[in-house]
Amino acid sequence: DAGVIQSPRHEVTEMGQEVTLRCKPISGHNSLFWYRQTMMRGLELLIYFNNNVPIDDSGMPEDRFSAKMPNASFSTLKIQPSEPRDSAVYFCASRGDRAGYTFGSGTRLTVV
Amino acid sequence: TQLLEQSPQFLSIQEGENLTVYCNSSSVFSSLQWYRQEPGEGPVLLVTVVTGGEVKKLKRLTFQFGDARKDSSLHITAAQPGDTGLYLCAGGGTYKYIFGTGTRLKVLA
Repeated sequence: DAGVIQSPRHEVTEMGQEVTLRCKPISGHNSLFWYRQTMMRGLELLIYFNNNVPIDDSGMPEDRFSAKMPNASFSTLKIQPSEPRDSAVYFCASRGDRAGYTFGSGTRLTVV
Repeated sequence: TQLLEQSPQFLSIQEGENLTVYCNSSSVFSSLQWYRQEPGEGPVLLVTVVTGGEVKKLKRLTFQFGDARKDSSLHITAAQPGDTGLYLCAGGGTYKYIFGTGTRLKVLA
């Protein structure tokens, strides 16, 4: 298994632009999580899906952030419009029943 | 709001030394996990503990879950440069885990 695959690995964009981050979870894992990591705030849970359904999006910072999971093998996190304070490493993780998370390698987002 | 505080925040030691990292909360968790994260990569699961008082060993790493399931510790014996990284605890329930503040360990050769 290739693990959790995220793309792109790095993204540099200008303030105001739309950013889309992508994630392919491990086949058979029924839960998917989006986290954001910064030095100041550590790992913050943004949203998680169970069986493709959003269960808890209370961590999504504001309406500029949205996430979708159209099928079991794909999820996106979109920021529109992006702001410099959104700069962080965004991780996707998937989890099967009674298992720990498997994280992707992350997307390092820089908004200038 | 559930919070997990880890201490120390930073630790720099010489190869061969022992160390202990702590993870504390005022909340009770049904299970607790430890992860290690290396630069440029996502966290990697080391262990899951589910029973109060449980002790698990993974080679030179010893993990303990507190009796009240509110705290945990990670002890490393004879640290090696390969142990360098960010250690994260995560307390969880049915669906999701809350991550601790992290301990950044550097082991010098």
